[in-house]
Amino acid sequence: QSALTQPASVSGSPGQSITISCTGTSSDVGNYNLVSWYQHHPGKVPKLMIYEVSKRPSGVSNRFSGSKSGSTASLTISALQAEDEADYYCCSYAGGSTYVIFGGGTKLTVL
Amino acid sequence: EVQLLESGGNLVQSGGSLRLSCAASGFTFSSYAMSWVRQAPGKGLEWVSAITASGASTYYADSVKGRFTISRDNSKNTLYLQMDSLRAEDTAIYYCAKDSHSGIVVANDYWGQGTLVTVSS
Repeated sequence: QSALTQPASVSGSPGQSITISCTGTSSDVGNYNLVSWYQHHPGKVPKLMIYEVSKRPSGVSNRFSGSKSGSTASLTISALQAEDEADYYCCSYAGGSTYVIFGGGTKLTVL
Repeated sequence: EVQLLESGGNLVQSGGSLRLSCAASGFTFSSYAMSWVRQAPGKGLEWVSAITASGASTYYADSVKGRFTISRDNSKNTLYLQMDSLRAEDTAIYYCAKDSHSGIVVANDYWGQGTLVTVSS
């Protein structure tokens, strides 16, 4: 199964808001509320930012929020900060014989 | 403090085998599902395999099915990945990651630093 579809890159200025989309199918994103988002700074360890579509782990800023409509999940980052510049990956449970699938990743640039 | 420490990565020839280990501490290892996720050079994250808390159920990506075997020893708080018939495309940093539930809910809240596997052709 192909990876979930994310834009290759997005950008925004400090203080602005951006949204990263993650498009799957009715077999994964559209069928389960088990979508997570990870922030990955190059050379560092991936960090869980959102799980179960819209829940935030303890310690993650409330500037990060998640949502889902049909087979597309979204990550919104408000009040952009320089430290938000990183790669972001969505991930969904897919059941069946695929089980877990990641998106291709989105590079966020803070201008 | 939760810690995950991978080991076992190395340079190996195509067709060879490696066994990765992930030593866990700081949490009740036997209560949580665990996964292996990899990142090839210049590429994105790719889920490889997962195992439920008890070890009763295991799951694999199509790209490694039949070649890799995930297992865990809850008495030793250690996760394993046996990698056989390695190919050049298996070259990657391999991360172990803890899920937040006993089953697979793709909420990997802690990750190890990763171990590098290089397969030469």
